[in-house]
Amino acid sequence: AQSVAQPEDQVNVAEGNPLTVKCTYSVSGNPYLFWYVQYPNRGLQFLLKYITGDNLVKGSYGFEAEFNKSQTSFHLKKPSALVSDSALYFCAVRPVNTGGFKTIFGAGTRLFVKA
Amino acid sequence: EAQVTQNPRYLITVTGKKLTVTCSQNMNHEYMSWYRQDPGLGLRQIYYSMNVEVTDKGDVPEGYKVSRKEKRNFPLILESPSPNQTSLYFCASRHSASGGNYEQYFGPGTRLTVT
Repeated sequence: AQSVAQPEDQVNVAEGNPLTVKCTYSVSGNPYLFWYVQYPNRGLQFLLKYITGDNLVKGSYGFEAEFNKSQTSFHLKKPSALVSDSALYFCAVRPVNTGGFKTIFGAGTRLFVKA
Repeated sequence: EAQVTQNPRYLITVTGKKLTVTCSQNMNHEYMSWYRQDPGLGLRQIYYSMNVEVTDKGDVPEGYKVSRKEKRNFPLILESPSPNQTSLYFCASRHSASGGNYEQYFGPGTRLTVT
């Protein structure tokens, strides 16, 4: 079965320190990869995506993500965390071999950035 | 302003009482989808629509119906709600059903409680 794993329910980091939110997937083919963020009482907002090309992609609010094909991972990173980055982060994978109509989400990782 | 709207935002109902959650987008998107968000499970896809009058099941379609009579609207119908459908529901849309590399735009969510 196709799946997306976010192994950490919660990540704690001090403001100014680098952060990493992990994502691995088990999907056949070369899927499209996405990260979304959810702030309290809001819908999900798009951060960045990997479709093809350079393994390091840059997105909104200073976030970036590194795609590793051999490890089937797509970890979200930021060099210097802000308190305002505290939110719930979702990794999402879209299998191409099903026409790109379905999206599989991870369970989410809650990020706490302490001042 | 480009947006996806959902109504109602909050709903408490009783088992068996039919309800409809509306979703509308103003971006002329072809593709629309419904998800439910449950703690520890992330978002799971209920139904999606590739265009007007074209819909298909996601991963958790049981107990739900949808229709797509107009491009901008994609209502979610619960004919006979049950307590296990208590959840947070999100509608989303994106450009081009066949262009799976596009990111999705999410509505603000509908919190449904079935007693």
